Amino acid sequence: SQKIEQNSEALNIQEGKTATLTCNYTNYSPAYLQWYRQDPGRGPVFLLLIRENEKEKRKERLKVTFDTTLKQSLFHITASQPADSATYLCALRTGTYKYIFGTGTRLKVLA
Amino acid sequence: DTGVSQNPRHKITKRGQNVTFRCDPISEHNRLYWYRQTLGQGPEFLTYFQNEAQLEKSRLLSDRFSAERPKGSFSTLEIQRTEQGDSAMYLCASFLFQGANTGELFFGEGSRLTVL
Repeated sequence: SQKIEQNSEALNIQEGKTATLTCNYTNYSPAYLQWYRQDPGRGPVFLLLIRENEKEKRKERLKVTFDTTLKQSLFHITASQPADSATYLCALRTGTYKYIFGTGTRLKVLA
Repeated sequence: DTGVSQNPRHKITKRGQNVTFRCDPISEHNRLYWYRQTLGQGPEFLTYFQNEAQLEKSRLLSDRFSAERPKGSFSTLEIQRTEQGDSAMYLCASFLFQGANTGELFFGEGSRLTVL
């Protein structure tokens, strides 16, 4: 079955450092992959999308890479700030436009 | 505010009761999704609609769950004979499907269900 795995443990980093989150998937070949941010008690909010033919995508302090051979996406937040503390979710879209989400990684940026 | 509205935001009910959640998507969005999320987990797919047609329902979903989108606008998710294991956040999301577009999902704030 299709499976999406993210770092299950929380990630704590110091303010100003780069946070790197991992998303691995199996039994699937997605056309693109999305990343969302979710704050406690709120719905997820879309951040970035990367297509299968793109190696890297950037938006301000965010960077996403996509390696279809490794079946992995990496999500980077540079110059991290305490306001970046949240849970980050990756999601794959199936051929019928059903979106499957990973378990999420909780990031805490320490001041 | 993404423009997707969910009601009620919180619902506490006793085991065995029926509950209904409503989702009002962004008005021009033709696709609507329901997800369930428990603490520490990612959103789990329940079902989705293209206009009023229900395209797929998760096999994990028991017959106690039913969803409708009668006029292709708002949607309801009903849980009959609730069980404590149904306690979760129920999320609704929508987007405008137009051929091969990328489909960023717009989520509501969710409806939190607690079954006592």
